[in-house]
Amino acid sequence: GAGVSQSPRYKVAKRGQDVALRCDPISGHVSLFWYQQALGQGPEFLTYFQNEAQLDKSGLPSDRFFAERPEGSVSTLKIQRTQQEDSAVYLCASSQSSGPNYGYTFGSGTRLTVV
Amino acid sequence: SQQGEEDPQALSIQEGENATMNCSYKTSINNLQWYRQNSGRGLVHLILIRSNEREKHSGRLRVTLDTSKKSSSLLITASRAADTASYFCATGMNSGYSTLTFGKGTMLLVSP
Repeated sequence: GAGVSQSPRYKVAKRGQDVALRCDPISGHVSLFWYQQALGQGPEFLTYFQNEAQLDKSGLPSDRFFAERPEGSVSTLKIQRTQQEDSAVYLCASSQSSGPNYGYTFGSGTRLTVV
Repeated sequence: SQQGEEDPQALSIQEGENATMNCSYKTSINNLQWYRQNSGRGLVHLILIRSNEREKHSGRLRVTLDTSKKSSSLLITASRAADTASYFCATGMNSGYSTLTFGKGTMLLVSP
């Protein structure tokens, strides 16, 4: 597609519920990133994929967070047993290269509210 | 943790005025990028400046980088109401891939 697509746009989950957030990157983009953005803050890095390989997951806040990109295109961020502190906007971004010096293209994000 | 710190946190100006936002960072970088975020939307890439560059222009945007002071500035000239948004600087480290670390942003309000 023309841009990075994320779904759902909004998600309300009851505490303890599992959620899955989807990201469709730009076709052919090698790099895919997930970020978490709390209200009034800048995005915080969660995890990075180069094609299907998850090269960096140092930003995942707990083992309740899991991400995959099995075929090197679509990615899913899964959060198990959601907690209120998980409420945030989850942003996906892709980049045409695995190297530095390339800008990211971001999706519009999924706003997760845990009640 | 966030590498960059934007200054000011909020800026309010009139249409036609120039807006200047600053960013400071802590560690050595490969590049620095600026992004814009409209309320409730994703981030839009504005401009990238490499660590060996000092100034870069794109339309009404001018970015400077001073690696000795670990700081950057974004100047928006002849601002428009449509420039109202949050602006973030993001630094790319000297690693094999391009993970970016974002600051907390400057909220710009341009009044007609």
